[in-house]
Amino acid sequence: SAVISQKPSRDICQRGTSLTIQCQVDSQVTMMFWYRQQPGQSLTLIATANQGSEATYESGFVIDKFPISRPNLTFSTLTVSNMSPEDSSIYLCSHPGTGGGETQYFGPGTRLLVL
Amino acid sequence: GENVEQHPSTLSVQEGDSAVIKCTYSDSASNYFPWYKQELGKRPQLIIDIRSNVGEKKDQRIAVTLNKTAKHFSLHITETQPEDSAVYFCAATRSAGNKLTFGGGTRVLVKP
Repeated sequence: SAVISQKPSRDICQRGTSLTIQCQVDSQVTMMFWYRQQPGQSLTLIATANQGSEATYESGFVIDKFPISRPNLTFSTLTVSNMSPEDSSIYLCSHPGTGGGETQYFGPGTRLLVL
Repeated sequence: GENVEQHPSTLSVQEGDSAVIKCTYSDSASNYFPWYKQELGKRPQLIIDIRSNVGEKKDQRIAVTLNKTAKHFSLHITETQPEDSAVYFCAATRSAGNKLTFGGGTRVLVKP
């Protein structure tokens, strides 16, 4: 599977500010996904990042709050906008591998704390 | 959309005993079911998966069973060891490589 990295690994932010999280894959992958994992909880899909088109958001998540970019097949960003303490979570990107038909591989995550 | 329920939420076992985690899913079109292990502060890591054309799959001390009719699948860990202590997540999707719907997770503690 392709190696996947995220930046930053963690951050502490003030409410009302925005943070952009970067996800880099070392091979071209067709699909990338962004998940949120709230403290002690499971993973919830935020959106599917499509290369060359707008992201597809899941119910409860909107583009104004979580704008996503996918400029090429190896990179994506997720912005958490106008943050509140409820946004404190781990944000993970993932991809389904380069061979097709594989499960998803996760990045190391970005641990966000909003004060 | 898909809904995945996972039980129990916590599981404490003695080292050497077996652990079983059960999941049910709602979407009859789901056909791929991976299991992830997440250690504290780490990313989820795939430990085993099963596709809908298979009823059981084993990998050393880990096995997964699938009952498509009842729409449930289970993870079995035999001869548990302290390093098996982690949170385990089941998931379901209509196709491998597509978005996953996760269960709520099971925190497993293996006591020496």
